[in-house]
Amino acid sequence: RKEVEQDPGPFNVPEGATVAFNCTYSNSASQSFFWYRQDCRKEPKLLMSVYSSGNEDGRFTAQLNRASQYISLLIRDSKLSDSATYLCVVLARGSQGNLIFGKGTKLSVKP
Amino acid sequence: DTAVSQTPKYLVTQMGNDKSIKCEQNLGHDTMYWYKQDSKKFLKIMFSYNNKELIINETVPNRFSPKSPDKAHLNLHINSLELGDSAVYFCASREAGGTDTQYFGPGTRLTVL
Repeated sequence: RKEVEQDPGPFNVPEGATVAFNCTYSNSASQSFFWYRQDCRKEPKLLMSVYSSGNEDGRFTAQLNRASQYISLLIRDSKLSDSATYLCVVLARGSQGNLIFGKGTKLSVKP
Repeated sequence: DTAVSQTPKYLVTQMGNDKSIKCEQNLGHDTMYWYKQDSKKFLKIMFSYNNKELIINETVPNRFSPKSPDKAHLNLHINSLELGDSAVYFCASREAGGTDTQYFGPGTRLTVL
């Protein structure tokens, strides 16, 4: 089983749509969770951290379910500029900052 | 004022050659990383250095040798390049004791012919 699994997509949605991405992780000792965004031919950039209580940043909402080892990202009112690959990322406890990346979910928002 | 910079941005070379990629961060971070993103877009850690000391080496062939002259720089030297080394290599840095956020450089696209 891969350490971090995501549906690779692509997700093709119209502007204004709501889209949800899911991710599962295998290491129950994982301590920190993130969503990174990677545009084509660019470096990954942190989108948001994910907390057990759930957190929201504008149109983006992230949720963590430790019992199910499951992370989600919800994007409301999609914009053309949201088109990118979204990477689910996990940090194992005591790993010296060793981030484990999922393969990413590609989102394409169409006019 | 780029936070994490890498040179070169593109590198095209023949099999068997030796090449280096340089990385510098001006964030004052203590920990730096090298990642490899292959053609399937899978991003995987290769090395991590904390304050010039190697702390992670993820079973990378010993043709790859990282070197950290000071905590702001982490260079990657690759000997005897192979076709399978073609990938995008990203450098990243993180503030020790701070959040777990890593800041990535723009990447170096290596093509081995």
